Amino acid sequence: GAVVSQHPSWVICKSGTSVKIECRSLDFQATTMFWYRQFPKQSLMLMATSNEGSKATYEQGVEKDKFLINHASLTLSTLTVTSAHPEDSSFYICSATGGIASVALHFGNGTRLTVT
Amino acid sequence: DAKTTQPPSMDCAEGRAANLPCNHSTISGNEYVYWYRQIHSQGPQYIIHGLKNNETNEMASLIITEDRKSSTLILPHATLRDTAVYYCIVRGSGGGADGLTFGKGTHLIIQP
Repeated sequence: GAVVSQHPSWVICKSGTSVKIECRSLDFQATTMFWYRQFPKQSLMLMATSNEGSKATYEQGVEKDKFLINHASLTLSTLTVTSAHPEDSSFYICSATGGIASVALHFGNGTRLTVT
Repeated sequence: DAKTTQPPSMDCAEGRAANLPCNHSTISGNEYVYWYRQIHSQGPQYIIHGLKNNETNEMASLIITEDRKSSTLILPHATLRDTAVYYCIVRGSGGGADGLTFGKGTHLIIQP
């Protein structure tokens, strides 16, 4: 149980274009989803927290207008990287939880974004 | 959330028990100890968590000292597939509403 599916697993896009990454909870209702970013040889950094039906909360230093997060249903959250630049190339990982009653966070398998 | 300290890397022979230490000397009474691991180019995987009692599941055992200032994750019979970065994370009792703060973890390398 507690499977989180992330799509696509990798994407290459040109500088200036936008990319959408989907995160789905397959067998539970995810009241809260988290988006992380991981650069090579570094740890995961939390970018934002989203609760279903409300605006996302962004961590300090993360541009909300550049990284658009939508959490319109209890099973789907999307992250859109707008006007991507090469420095946005990274490994993006989502995680989901069923809320306060949940014990652990469950993670997707990540999306490798390369901006050329 | 309290900070954790882990060795940057460890080696272990295949078939042996891998013991991964974690210091969390500033842990508070309502904070849990969680362990996750990340195999290269994959998302983190939940392993185990505990408050003050030792815990065991199908993946590992978690030993927490009586003063709760440190803990050890034990993989009883390590295999090559256990090579990964292991993260020890202290998390408040806010439970699922809070994101996890990842440190640098321990890169465990299982040697054949």
